[in-house]
Amino acid sequence: NAGVTQTPKFQVLKTGQSMTLQCAQDMNHEYMSWYRQDPGMGLRLIHYSVGAGITDQGEVPNGYNVSRSTTEDFPLRLLSAAPSQTSVYFCASSEAGGETEAFFGQGTRLTVV
Amino acid sequence: QKEVEQDPGPLSVPEGAIVSLNCTYSNSAFQYFMWYRQYSRKGPELLMYTYSSGNKEDGRFTAQVDKSSKYISLFIRDSQPSDSATYLCAIANAGGTSYGKLTFGQGTILTVHP
Repeated sequence: NAGVTQTPKFQVLKTGQSMTLQCAQDMNHEYMSWYRQDPGMGLRLIHYSVGAGITDQGEVPNGYNVSRSTTEDFPLRLLSAAPSQTSVYFCASSEAGGETEAFFGQGTRLTVV
Repeated sequence: QKEVEQDPGPLSVPEGAIVSLNCTYSNSAFQYFMWYRQYSRKGPELLMYTYSSGNKEDGRFTAQVDKSSKYISLFIRDSQPSDSATYLCAIANAGGTSYGKLTFGQGTILTVHP
């Protein structure tokens, strides 16, 4: 049972570099989302998708892009990394919306120097 | 004002204590109320889920929702060192432009010491 798989687990970037955080789920869930977690801030929604080809912004979308070409994959792109994007990133999937259980990946710890 | 407010703690209690974790929310349209538990360096996992006012019990855990006061609580009885984790309240709407969005509290760090 893979569930939600995130890669990489750790990453260090230099300011201005770009990268893609990968997220894949094998539960055939329609709904996927990306959160960032910072100390004292809880989980904040970056972008989410309610199905293949459909994405929308969350609470903190600036500096991030997403696309959803398949049900299984939902990559998060950092366009030009900034130190303020140092955080732990979590991908989640659920059957339907927020009223169903969200399954989270193990997280990606990103440091931007 | 954040839509969901949670005391971040940290909270440190002795084994066997009763723990009370609380959140308040501002949007009366919220309909679904959850508690997630997150162990260190792991992703959150659903612990409790409810959609109505009142209490819901699951073993040593009780989730309480008071929609009139916009207040939710999680009680842990006979706390164990294995309960040491971050507890996050999460609230959601159903339908409309907020469909599918989970709004989290800041999380409370709980340590239960032997």
